[in-house]
Amino acid sequence: GAVVSQHPSRVICKSGTSVKIECRSLDFQATTMFWYRQFPKQSLMLMATSNEGSKATYEQGVEKDKFLINHASLTLSTLTVTSAHPEDSSFYICSASGGTRTRGDTQYFGPGTRLTVL
Amino acid sequence: AQTVTQSQPEMSVQEAETVTLSCTYDTSESDYYLFWYKQPPSRQMILVIRQEAYKQQNATENRFSVNFQKAAKSFSLKISDSQLGDAAMYFCAYRSEGAQKLVFGQGTRLTINP
Repeated sequence: GAVVSQHPSRVICKSGTSVKIECRSLDFQATTMFWYRQFPKQSLMLMATSNEGSKATYEQGVEKDKFLINHASLTLSTLTVTSAHPEDSSFYICSASGGTRTRGDTQYFGPGTRLTVL
Repeated sequence: AQTVTQSQPEMSVQEAETVTLSCTYDTSESDYYLFWYKQPPSRQMILVIRQEAYKQQNATENRFSVNFQKAAKSFSLKISDSQLGDAAMYFCAYRSEGAQKLVFGQGTRLTINP
């Protein structure tokens, strides 16, 4: 149980285009989802927290207009990187928590998405 | 603000041996949760073990166990009978009772020598 998927696993795009990453909880309802960014050989950096049906809460220094997060259902959250630039290239990871089939205090992570902006 | 410190950037152990990864944290709260996550080369974060602060008993999951010292604010992970598949980056994480966010340590890279 507590499986989280992400799609796509890898994406390459041109500078100036937008990219959407999907995060799904497959066997539980995620009341809260999180989006992280991870640079090589570093820890995870929380970008934003989203509760189903509410606007996301962004961490300090994260551009809301650049990283659009939507959590429209209890099993799906999306991260859209708008007008992507090479400095947005990174590994993006989502996690989910909540529901009765999991421990609500525990985050379960997706496999991550590697974004490369040319 | 809470902080989590993993003082060992890298550790190595012989296969079948036991290794302990250290983690300390700073908090003024009494109710919280602690976690160890494993991130293998695939980069999928996998939950290894969790501990509720109000429980005195140390959590165990098969070959993985923790030494939770609440007064010392220490939460070390012991891996017994190390296997090649245990090679990964290990992250210690803290979550307040009333919060949603995890606070991560810097990570410890564990190498298993055959």
